[in-house]
Parts: sequence; structure tokens; C-alpha cells
Amino acid sequence: NAGVMQNPRHLVRRRGQEARLRCSPMKGHSHVYWYRQLPEEGLKFMVYLQKENIIDESGMPKERFSAEFPKEGPSILRIQQVVRGDSAAYFCASSLIGTENSPLHFGNGTRLTVT
Amino acid sequence: AQTVTQSQPEMSVQEAETVTLSCTYDTSESDYYLFWYKQPPSRQMILVIRQEAYKQQNATENRFSVNFQKAAKSFSLKISDSQLGDAAMYFCAYRSVLRSYNFNKFYFGSGTKLNVKP
Repeated sequence: NAGVMQNPRHLVRRRGQEARLRCSPMKGHSHVYWYRQLPEEGLKFMVYLQKENIIDESGMPKERFSAEFPKEGPSILRIQQVVRGDSAAYFCASSLIGTENSPLHFGNGTRLTVT
Repeated sequence: AQTVTQSQPEMSVQEAETVTLSCTYDTSESDYYLFWYKQPPSRQMILVIRQEAYKQQNATENRFSVNFQKAAKSFSLKISDSQLGDAAMYFCAYRSVLRSYNFNKFYFGSGTKLNVKP
């Protein structure tokens, strides 16, 4: 029973390039959350999705960032034209909806470094 | 939106001693869930313990227990017999279950870094 799978584990991009972060939720989970963690800081909510639908993107920067969770395949967090300030750890989590005491199950994160 | 506050950025405890990490939250909801997560240097987020707001009994998981004070909106984590492996960042989290725009959203505190001294 695989947990939340994120890849890549580490991603290095030059300024101006695109970064694509992938997340496959736990089996049976249809809701995905993305969080960003800067060094020595807490988790900042970015976006909450279910398949083919963005439920809440209030934490997403208005430009360059987008997320999707298609009917088939993993959820993708896409950062266009990356800048140094985008360097952070990006965590994906999934949860079982309908079971209200279900916690978030986290992936191991993707550490993005922008050079 | 709900806010979760962890007022202790860093704490230290001697091995085998007991330490308590504080967490307070702000909400107008009557039903919700609270969680503590641990993030060791590996960065993996690990669930430590959970508490349902409608339950008065404090949750316990082995050496980990909570002191849940609903009226005070306080949810502290007590670690007994601290071990070196307990050294990590600890995050308090609130889950809204009210069927509103907050439904199923999780709110995290800023974290407390726990050092365990041998």
C-alpha cells in the first residue's frame, strides 16, 4: 500500500526555466493538497484539488504557478519562469474525504533549487 | 480563516525528561480535528497524534499525549521519556470539517524545533 509519491526528490532549475512537480496520492484518496516550505519555516498552503477540479487555490501566487489533478495520472504543480525565491521544499499531501478524522498523508517532498 | 499559533520557535529537553509543546488556535467552529506532526531532518512529515474536538478525553499514543482545552483553544503536546529520535520540528494542525469554504482545509502552525540533549 504505497503512500503519497512525489517526484522528483530534488530538482535543479536555472532562472527562467519551468519546474514540474508530480504527486500521486495514496490509493483511494481523491483529494490532494500542495504546501510550500521555505528553510526553517512552516508549511504554507498553496492549493487544494480533487480530480479535475481546483477546490481552493487561495495560497497560490497569481502568476507563474498552476496546479492540476487530471482524471488520470498524478497531480502536477507547475512553476513557469522560476526565480531564486521559488527555491523551497514542496510537499504534496492527500486525504480521505468522508472520514473526517483522516489526517493528511504527506509525500517526501520535492526540493527545488533555482540557480 | 482559522489560525494556528505555536509560540515556541525552539525548545530543548534532556533525554528521558518530559517536554510540552504549546499550540493555540483561533476558530468559531464547534467541531474540528487537531493533529500534531513531526518533521525530522529527513523532512518526512509524520503524524504523531490526533484529537477530535467533540471528545473530552485527551488522546494518547505511547509516550505522546495531548492536553486539549477546548474553551481555551489550546492543544499542547507532551512528550514523556524523551529520546534522541524525538528531535525534530513539530507542527500543530487544525482541520476544518464545517461544510463551508473551509471544508477539509488543514491549517498549520509555524512549528517548534525540539532539541534533545543526551
